[in-house]
Amino acid sequence: NAGVTQTPKFQVLKTGQSMTLQCAQDMNHEYMSWYRQDPGMGLRLIHYSVGAGITDQGEVPNGYNVSRSTTEDFPLRLLSAAPSQTSVYFCASSLLAGGSYEQYFGPGTRLTVT
Amino acid sequence: GQQLNQSPQSMFIQEGEDVSMNCTSSSIFNTWLWYKQDPGEGPVLLIALYKAGELTSNGRLTAQFGITRKDSFLNISASIPSDVGIYFCAGQGTGTASKLTFGTGTRLQVTL
Repeated sequence: NAGVTQTPKFQVLKTGQSMTLQCAQDMNHEYMSWYRQDPGMGLRLIHYSVGAGITDQGEVPNGYNVSRSTTEDFPLRLLSAAPSQTSVYFCASSLLAGGSYEQYFGPGTRLTVT
Repeated sequence: GQQLNQSPQSMFIQEGEDVSMNCTSSSIFNTWLWYKQDPGEGPVLLIALYKAGELTSNGRLTAQFGITRKDSFLNISASIPSDVGIYFCAGQGTGTASKLTFGTGTRLQVTL
């Protein structure tokens, strides 16, 4: 049981480049989400998914796309990287069942855009 | 976008002391969550609260869901060095379990 895995762990991009951050979970959780964390701030929701084939925007969706073709995978795409997207990105999967909340975060991807 | 107000922003305490922190919101939440984040890692869920007035413990940690549903509190008793880290609160309104609003964090440092 690997929990939530994220790749890569570190990435440096030049302005205008595109890339995909990978996220996978093996707990059969329906809910998955992407957050970014900037210094001195909490986590801000980028996009989330309530199940395969269903995604929705969070608080800061601009410049990012997501898809959810399987329950396990929830990749985050940066369309044209900008320095403002320099941040630490966390993927999370969660389950709310029987009134009990279960959530796990991945280890994060540290992205620098120059 | 909305963020929760969490206080204090940081605190230095001595080992063995009790710690209190709180989180307030202008909106009502149905669920309050408390996390701990160690350097270089993702947050780890510590406690989840599901109804107003609820008091829940996890070892030396105790959290409460405020009666107004707009605030929550976390207490750590008899702090130890491994309690060092950043503690985040998060609130969830109606809707999906994925859509959480996070606080700005309380950085805790424990001195011997």
